[in-house]
Amino acid sequence: KAGVTQTPRYLIKTRGQQVTLSCSPISGHRSVSWYQQTPGQGLQFLFEYFSETQRNKGNFPGRFSGRQFSNSRSEMNVSTLELGDSALYLCASSGGLDTGELFFGEGSRLTVL
Amino acid sequence: AQSVAQPEDQVNVAEGNPLTVKCTYSVSGNPYLFWYVQYPNRGLQFLLKYITGDNLVKGSYGFEAEFNKSQTSFHLKKPSALVSDSALYFCAVRDKFNNAGNMLTFGGGTRLMVKP
Repeated sequence: KAGVTQTPRYLIKTRGQQVTLSCSPISGHRSVSWYQQTPGQGLQFLFEYFSETQRNKGNFPGRFSGRQFSNSRSEMNVSTLELGDSALYLCASSGGLDTGELFFGEGSRLTVL
Repeated sequence: AQSVAQPEDQVNVAEGNPLTVKCTYSVSGNPYLFWYVQYPNRGLQFLLKYITGDNLVKGSYGFEAEFNKSQTSFHLKKPSALVSDSALYFCAVRDKFNNAGNMLTFGGGTRLMVKP
């Protein structure tokens, strides 16, 4: 069974640009969550989607957005990039609602110059 | 608001010795508690969780964790450490309120170094 796949793995952007990250969950998983990991702030919850609906959203500005498609694949978008957006963005899928047992991808490492 | 504290940035232990990685939490009501491990340049892997029942929870790779409600702690333990256990360990909590979904609050992480 394939794991959670995130693309791209690495990317470099400049301030003001926008970026879209993609996540393919484990087959059959309908819950997809996104987390931001930085050395200073640690792991912070961005949002969770289930059956194409956003269930929860973390404390991030509106520049951070996401969506989920009917096949459970998810994308997140960050517009007007800032230097502080440099981070490892982790996607996680779950086979159950509310289990907390998350299967993480290897992440997309974003560097903003 | 819920929070998780991991008071040690790093724990050093010799191979074969027991290890403990500490975690305390603050949450309204009864929590769901989790431990995850992150190896270099990888995503997180689920180790174990506590929802209810026995305070001692057993998980993957020989790890276990003890839930202590009075001390609001959920320490991760292993009787005999391996060099391959060296990694970054995260404690996490999910509030039991309705619609919390899979939204977890993570601690800052503890780096475990096991020396041969």
